[in-house]
Order: sequence, then C-alpha cells, then structure tokens
Amino acid sequence: SQKIEQNSEALNIQEGKTATLTCNYTNYSPAYLQWYRQDPGRGPVFLLLIRENEKEKRKERLKVTFDTTLKQSLFHITASQPADSATYLCAPTSGTYKYIFGTGTRLKVLA
Amino acid sequence: EAQVTQNPRYLITVTGKKLTVTCSQNMNHEYMSWYRQDPGLGLRQIYYSMNVEVTDKGDVPEGYKVSRKEKRNFPLILESPSPNQTSLYFCASRDDATNEKLFFGSGTQLSVL
Repeated sequence: SQKIEQNSEALNIQEGKTATLTCNYTNYSPAYLQWYRQDPGRGPVFLLLIRENEKEKRKERLKVTFDTTLKQSLFHITASQPADSATYLCAPTSGTYKYIFGTGTRLKVLA
Repeated sequence: EAQVTQNPRYLITVTGKKLTVTCSQNMNHEYMSWYRQDPGLGLRQIYYSMNVEVTDKGDVPEGYKVSRKEKRNFPLILESPSPNQTSLYFCASRDDATNEKLFFGSGTQLSVL
C-alpha cells in the first residue's frame, strides 16, 4: 500500500539556520508533490508544489527538491525565524481526486 | 475574501446522535473533500466530490455520508456517531485553475462520548 514517511520527531533549530524536512514515499509514483504548513488547531495552508519533472523549486526562503529515484522530497527553510515554527505536511499526489498526506514534521525555531 | 467555512468549530455529542458538519466555499470550486486528522495518523481523506451530485469515497469513508446538492456546500453527515469518530475534521476545496492546490477550512473538533 502507499506509504508516506515524515520525521515524526520534532525538529528544533536555531533562528537564522536552515531547516531541512524530509518526505519519503513508497509504493507509488506521484505526478507532483505538495507541501503545506499547519499551525496548531488550524487548517493546513498550501506552500509549494513541485512536479515529477522538476528537480527543484523555490519561493522566497523556501526550497523544495523532488528526487523520483530516491522517492524523496526535501523541504528547506533558509534563514529560519520563530514565526516559521509549525507542522509541515507533505502530500505526494498521483491521481486527480485522492490525496494522501504524511503525518507531518513539527518544526520549532528557537530565538 | 476567498475562504472555506466550516461549522461548528467545536462539537461534543453522544454516541448515536446524528450530526452534520457544514462546509461552504466562496471560490466556485468544483472539487471539495473531507479529511479527519488523528495523532500519529495524519490527514486521511473521507470523501470527495468532483462536482454537484458527484461524490466518491476516500480512504476512510465508513460511518460517514456526504451530499453535494449545491456547488458551494459539502456537508459531512454522521448518522450514528461512535467514540472512534472523535477527531479533528477538515473540509477543503481545490483551485480549479490548476486542479492541484487545496484550500482548507479552520477545522471542526468533534468529541463523541
């Protein structure tokens, strides 16, 4: 069955450093992969999407890579700030209507 | 403001008492979907709707019903709630221009006693 793995443990980093979050998937070939941010008690908010034929995509301080050979996406936040503290979800998507999300990685940026 | 609105925000009920969680979007999106979020299990899709009167099951549809009589509304119905349906529920609609990006509501925290 399709499986998505994100670091279940929280990631603590110092302000100003680069945070790197990992999303691994197995048993399917997503056409694209999305990253969402979720704050406690709130709905996820879309951040970035990368397609299977793209290696890397950037948006301001965010960078996403997508390696279809390794079946992995890396999500980077450069010059991290305490306001970046949240849970980040990945969603590798192969179909048109069904969505599968990872359990998320909780990031805490320490001032 | 473009948004997905869910109601209620919090709901406590008892086993077997039918309830409905409403979801409405003002972006004229064709696609809408429901998810539940549980610790350690992440977001799991319950049902989705491709358009008015067209719905299909997600990964965890048991114990839930949906209807899509109007484009803007997609209510989630629990005919006979059970304690294992205690969860945080999210409704989402999808950007028609790209058919990719999801817009989520603020969530409904449901407790079934």
